[in-house]
Amino acid sequence: EPEVTQTPSHQVTQMGQEVILRCVPISNHLYFYWYRQILGQKVEFLVSFYNNEISEKSEIFDDQFSVERPDGSNFTLKIRSTKLEDSAMYFCASSESLASVQLYEQYFGPGTRLTVT
Amino acid sequence: GQQVMQIPQYQHVQEGEDFTTYCNSSTTLSNIQWYKQRPGGHPVFLIQLVKSGEVKKQKRLTFQFGEAKKNSSLHITATQTTDVGTYFCAGTQSGTYKYIFGTGTRLKVLA
Repeated sequence: EPEVTQTPSHQVTQMGQEVILRCVPISNHLYFYWYRQILGQKVEFLVSFYNNEISEKSEIFDDQFSVERPDGSNFTLKIRSTKLEDSAMYFCASSESLASVQLYEQYFGPGTRLTVT
Repeated sequence: GQQVMQIPQYQHVQEGEDFTTYCNSSTTLSNIQWYKQRPGGHPVFLIQLVKSGEVKKQKRLTFQFGEAKKNSSLHITATQTTDVGTYFCAGTQSGTYKYIFGTGTRLKVLA
C-alpha cells in the first residue's frame, strides 16, 4: 500500500538554526499538508499546498516557515530560525483532493520529531 | 478563531464496555473526519461525514454528524484492547482548506 514517508525521523538542532524537514507524498496525490503536534497535545494545522502554491496557512505558519516542492516528489518544510517552542512532532500528509465533498482522506506520514535545544 | 473541543479528554474502560467521544465545533462545519492515533504513531483516517444528520458504521464503530453540523460523535461498542489510542475529530469550514483538529480523547482499555 502506498504511504507517505518523512525524513529524518528525529532532528535535534540548536536554537536559531535552520532546519528542513522532508516528505515524499503518495505519488498520485495533489494536495499536501504540514501539521505539528506538541507532545501529548492535539494536531495543529500549519499549511496546505496545491499546484505549487500555498492554499491556506494557519497563524502558526509565520515568516519563519516556508514550504517547497522542489522536484515533483519531495515536499519540504523549512524553519528559518528555530525557537525552543518549535519542538514538536511534524507530520506531513497528502490527499487526492481538498474538496470536502470528496471522500478523500488525508494520509499522514510517520512524522519527524524536532527537538530544539 | 474556530475551535473544536472533544470530551472526555481521557476515558478508561474495561474491555467489552462501550465508549463514546463527543466533538463540538464553535462554528458550522462543511465536513468532519475522524482519525485514530496509536501511542507513538501518526493519525490514521477512519471516516469522513459530510451530510447533516449522517450516521455511518464501521463494524463496532458508529459515527454521527449533528443536524446543525456543529457536532459529531464516535461510539465504539464492546471495546477491545486494540482500540487503545487517541481519537481526533477534524473539521473544515466551507470555503477553507484547513482542517482544525479537535483536542482528542485518549482511550485506554483495561483487559
